[in-house]
Amino acid sequence: AQSVTQLDSHVSVSEGTPVLLRCNYSSSYSPSLFWYVQHPNKGLQLLLKYTSAATLVKGINGFEAEFKKSETSFHLTKPSAHMSDAAEYFCVVIRGSNYQLIWGAGTKLIIKP
Amino acid sequence: DVKVTQSSRYLVKRTGEKVFLECVQDMDHENMFWYRQDPGLGLRLIYFSYDVKMKEKGDIPEGYSVSREKKERFSLILESASTNQTSMYLCASSLSGLAGNEQFFGPGTRLTVL
Repeated sequence: AQSVTQLDSHVSVSEGTPVLLRCNYSSSYSPSLFWYVQHPNKGLQLLLKYTSAATLVKGINGFEAEFKKSETSFHLTKPSAHMSDAAEYFCVVIRGSNYQLIWGAGTKLIIKP
Repeated sequence: DVKVTQSSRYLVKRTGEKVFLECVQDMDHENMFWYRQDPGLGLRLIYFSYDVKMKEKGDIPEGYSVSREKKERFSLILESASTNQTSMYLCASSLSGLAGNEQFFGPGTRLTVL
């Protein structure tokens, strides 16, 4: 069965420093993985997705994620945090071949001035 | 610009009331979804629909029903609201076919049941 675990409920970084949001997945076959972002009082938005092409995936707003099969991880990174990155981030995996997504619990990213 | 709209941003209802949450998308998407979002739990799928008049249960369908009479509209119904249904409700839509298609979300309805 597919599942996804976000290892941190909150991450706090200073503006201009790197961001790392961690996600581990469990899947019986090669998964499709996503990161979605939810800014305060705004709808959820797709940040990036991995669908078995390149293992390093680039998304919007300077974010990228690397699929590591050996570590069953799909961590989200950004070289330099900006105040506008403050939001909640969700790691998501597809459940089997149907239409359903399995969502992680979310990580709140806090940016300190 | 793609758009998913939900009928209310905030809603307050009393226990036992029947509640209707409406969602409309203007992207001609086949798939539509209803989720609830609770702190620390992520999003949990209540119901989804892959075609008009078609529906499938998600992970937590108990206490909810849905209706899809037109392609662009997907309604969530709480037959008899209870306090444990206080939550943020999110509607989404996507193209048919692969589950890897991006889901587009509405702004959400924050429902409080007193």
